[in-house]
Amino acid sequence: AQRVTQPEKLLSVFKGAPVELKCNYSYSGSPELFWYVQYSRQRLQLLLRHISRESIKGFTADLNKGETSFHLKKPFAQEEDSAMYYCALSVGPGGYQKVTFGTGTKLQVIP
Amino acid sequence: EPEVTQTPSHQVTQMGQEVILRCVPISNHLYFYWYRQILGQKVEFLVSFYNNEISEKSEIFDDQFSVERPDGSNFTLKIRSTKLEDSAMYFCASSEQRGSYNEQFFGPGTRLTVL
Repeated sequence: AQRVTQPEKLLSVFKGAPVELKCNYSYSGSPELFWYVQYSRQRLQLLLRHISRESIKGFTADLNKGETSFHLKKPFAQEEDSAMYYCALSVGPGGYQKVTFGTGTKLQVIP
Repeated sequence: EPEVTQTPSHQVTQMGQEVILRCVPISNHLYFYWYRQILGQKVEFLVSFYNNEISEKSEIFDDQFSVERPDGSNFTLKIRSTKLEDSAMYFCASSEQRGSYNEQFFGPGTRLTVL
């Protein structure tokens, strides 16, 4: 069974400091990994996915299969980055996909 | 931009009562999902639905739960006899077929409180 682990419940950083939100996963096959974000009073929304290898809002995440990690990074935190961040793993055929979420990390950017 | 909508935003019910949570997925999406998040815990997959059938369900999704797409727009989650432990945020999501990957778009959630 797939599993996603986010070891930190809360991460507080000062504005302008680098951010790294940790995520480790376990899955025997080739998973698709994502980061979802939930800003205060807003819905869950996709931040980025490993397939696209893109940078969204300055965030990047690299899939490390050897370490089974997908850490989310940003070089300089902004106040508007404060939110809940969920690492997620998706399995399933090309149609429906079951998403398994981590427990989430609350990022608090201190002005 | 089209969004998934859910009603009601908050539902309070007595233990043992039936509740129906409603979702309107994005109109051209074909795959539908329900997740729940108990306060302080992670978001958990309940069920996926495609072509008027359940595609996959988790162990949480027992006989007390059912899903339905009663018309072309709504997607409902019914809990037949609610228990205290059913109190949670329930999220609906939908996705369209797009190659081997489907981005799931989430609704704002319905907070269910069972008294």
